[in-house]
Amino acid sequence: GAVVSQHPSRVICKSGTSVKIECRSLDFQATTMFWYRQFPKQSLMLMATSNEGSKATYEQGVEKDKFLINHASLTLSTLTVTSAHPEDSSFYICSARDRGGEQFFGPGTRLTVL
Amino acid sequence: KQEVTQIPAALSVPEGENLVLNCSFTDSAIYNLQWFRQDPGKGLTSLLLIQSSQREQTSGRLNASLDKSSGRSTLYIAASQPGDSATYLCAVLNQAGTALIFGKGTTLSVSS
Repeated sequence: GAVVSQHPSRVICKSGTSVKIECRSLDFQATTMFWYRQFPKQSLMLMATSNEGSKATYEQGVEKDKFLINHASLTLSTLTVTSAHPEDSSFYICSARDRGGEQFFGPGTRLTVL
Repeated sequence: KQEVTQIPAALSVPEGENLVLNCSFTDSAIYNLQWFRQDPGKGLTSLLLIQSSQREQTSGRLNASLDKSSGRSTLYIAASQPGDSATYLCAVLNQAGTALIFGKGTTLSVSS
């Protein structure tokens, strides 16, 4: 099946620093990529949707200046958490959708902001 | 606004039992429905995808059905095993293909 990779899998940073998370579709071209976050024991919440070469569409309540998304190619999207704070600590999961409409998920990135 | 509900929230069964997980959604105008599995602290693994025109999909011991008109889907797991213990998430893709809405999941525990 299709594979989506995320890097890094885990990151610990100090408050105020910026963190970049990469998401790659390894063996298919993703028409659309998604970024989710998940707090403990809660379901996934969609943060933003991005199409290659265009600006991301953010969900209500998600600050676009804080969570910068760059969808540089059909196989790569990055999420940068700028000036991270402890409340940004969460599990971030990216997803890529193929032309058939099926979504494949990355393994997630555990962000801890001290 | 599309809402996805999964019942039960948690389920414990002994090994070998057949079981059914339920998913309901409020807006029947969907593009497809997917069932996922999530292990603690891990990402999601896609189990089955049912297009809106399909009624069911099967993969190994898993069978998922879709009744779009009534807004329901079920995931049937045959002969459950301890390795099936995980959280199972149901998600619907809206007709425009722009949003995948998740349920809160059913946490399954299979004891040996």
